[in-house]
Amino acid sequence: GESVGLHLPTLSVQEGDNSIINCAYSNSASDYFIWYKQESGKGPQFIIDIRSNMDKRQGQRVTVLLNKTVKHLSLQIAATQPGDSAVYFCAEIIRLDTGRRALTFGSGTRLQVQP
Amino acid sequence: NAGVTQTPKFQVLKTGQSMTLQCAQDMNHEYMSWYRQDPGMGLRLIHYSVGAGITDQGEVPNGYNVSRSTTEDFPLRLLSAAPSQTSVYFCASSRAFRVAGDGGHEQYFGPGTRLTVT
Repeated sequence: GESVGLHLPTLSVQEGDNSIINCAYSNSASDYFIWYKQESGKGPQFIIDIRSNMDKRQGQRVTVLLNKTVKHLSLQIAATQPGDSAVYFCAEIIRLDTGRRALTFGSGTRLQVQP
Repeated sequence: NAGVTQTPKFQVLKTGQSMTLQCAQDMNHEYMSWYRQDPGMGLRLIHYSVGAGITDQGEVPNGYNVSRSTTEDFPLRLLSAAPSQTSVYFCASSRAFRVAGDGGHEQYFGPGTRLTVT
């Protein structure tokens, strides 16, 4: 990876390799987590979600792991393809001061797939 | 279904001007929200609504107003534009967030409005 501060952390992988993107969250009361993919110039697109009472969920080529002990979430992409190149965000549902729930986003990781 | 639509796609404002960003969805979703995304950053919640007639502040509400007179529409108003409001604005909708257990919290995002304030 590279870049910190104002720039997104970047994960560079070879086509066909597996990718692991990590996310730390701070709110122990969060009860639902979602991974989004955002391609350049587009809005975020839902990938996969997981409830706080689960530690693993699998989709097509993607797996999300949740470790509540250390407040860590990861997204695993199997057999990464050039079309997977994008920025990936984790998001969590938190309860705001109003008592209502809302979706808040982490800062994102850029995935670059090298052919 | 058109999904979530936003207009305009691009807008340039002078400091002090006001304008309204439009957002509409045709999925009969209860929950709608507005986010801003600054370069290299994640999305920050501005305002959200859990249903017609109900709005709440998110993380960064200052300088923005919203209203929800219908289920379909959720406009975002900039009262007096400032350069700090230069950003890309995304509108999103979903079924209402309920207690975790029923899933289905997938949010659908619009294509975004790129706003520049000079």
